[in-house]
Amino acid sequence: DTGVSQDPRHKITKRGQNVTFRCDPISEHNRLYWYRQTLGQGPEFLTYFQNEAQLEKSRLLSDRFSAERPKGSFSTLEIQRTEQGDSAMYLCASTPLSEQYFGPGTRLTVT
Amino acid sequence: RKEVEQDPGPFNVPEGATVAFNCTYSNSASQSFFWYRQDCRKEPKLLMSVYSSGNEDGRFTAQLNRASQYISLLIRDSKLSDSATYLCVGVDNYGQNFVFGPGTRLSVLP
Repeated sequence: DTGVSQDPRHKITKRGQNVTFRCDPISEHNRLYWYRQTLGQGPEFLTYFQNEAQLEKSRLLSDRFSAERPKGSFSTLEIQRTEQGDSAMYLCASTPLSEQYFGPGTRLTVT
Repeated sequence: RKEVEQDPGPFNVPEGATVAFNCTYSNSASQSFFWYRQDCRKEPKLLMSVYSSGNEDGRFTAQLNRASQYISLLIRDSKLSDSATYLCVGVDNYGQNFVFGPGTRLSVLP
């Protein structure tokens, strides 16, 4: 499979716990994006990387959120001290230029 | 005001109908536009790019009006399989900042 993959696909956690999600982009794509999507809404931009450099972060991304892309390949998104409002689908997308290719997403439920 | 706005729908249409979706954007820096399709509980997938001259792909026609900051998607002879949410996306001149609309839900009924 040469598409974008994300792991895990589902995560249920208790409020206050830390969670980490992984995204493996299409190998030749140097840009990688993270989005959050809640029911009835379009994807909301969180952050993006050009190779290993994190170039932009949304104001939606509080101090509890951090993302890395250490070798310009896969990326991780960590949420510390999760809150119920963090429950959402977290989508990763990679792009060679202007078309985005999305992974299947990680659905987070915070109880 | 959101940067990209869409009529949320739902649009409920019979098979074979023609349906049009509208999208408006407020950021004049947006240079490229796309329509994505998202099935229930799935990831968005690119449907088509949108060009000022208008472009057509089978039953789908997309149009961009920069003066009015308006994008449209027309679906002709709609099929049951067209049922999905259609997302309008604007991208800035550097191809870096992607802004998605909230999506318009379409249900094609038998």
